[in-house]
Amino acid sequence: GAVVSQHPSRVICKSGTSVKIECRSLDFQATTMFWYRQFPKQSLMLMATSNEGSKATYEQGVEKDKFLINHASLTLSTLTVTSAHPEDSSFYICSARDTGRATNEKLFFGSGTQLSVL
Amino acid sequence: GENVEQHPSTLSVQEGDSAVIKCTYSDSASNYFPWYKQELGKGPQLIIDIRSNVGEKKDQRIAVTLNKTAKHFSLHITETQPEDSAVYFCAADRGSTLGRLYFGRGTQLTVWP
Repeated sequence: GAVVSQHPSRVICKSGTSVKIECRSLDFQATTMFWYRQFPKQSLMLMATSNEGSKATYEQGVEKDKFLINHASLTLSTLTVTSAHPEDSSFYICSARDTGRATNEKLFFGSGTQLSVL
Repeated sequence: GENVEQHPSTLSVQEGDSAVIKCTYSDSASNYFPWYKQELGKGPQLIIDIRSNVGEKKDQRIAVTLNKTAKHFSLHITETQPEDSAVYFCAADRGSTLGRLYFGRGTQLTVWP
């Protein structure tokens, strides 16, 4: 299957700082990428849909100024958690579809980033 | 929007036994149903998927069945092994590139040796 690389895998930061998470599709192009948030023992919650060359689409209740998304190329999307606070501590996961394939429903996930804000 | 219900939330089986996880969905327009396995601290891994024009799909010890009329689909794992222990998520989607997946709440499967 397609490979989605996500970095860093774990980050610890002080309250008030910003953290950037990168998501790369390694062997395919992804016009659209998705960012999820997951709390312990819970399901994945879609935060936003990242669109290459245009603004991201945020889910209801997700602050776009808090979670900045940039999708500058067909293989890279970044999520920046700005002015992080302890309540932003969570597991963040990106995902992407291979838009170059004829059958492209399959959604592949990165390995996730555990963010801990002190 | 779509609503995906998943049961059970936890499942414990003895090694070698079978495990079945069931999901229901609400949107009749959904036509793609993947299953993901998530190990602790890792991202979800696609293990099998099925489209609505197929009633059953099998890949070695894993199979998925779909009843489109009843709007439910199930994951079947046979000859379970301890390494099958993980959280399993079902999901539903309309299948377009721009579409979003709607996930179930997950099932913690524990396989005892």
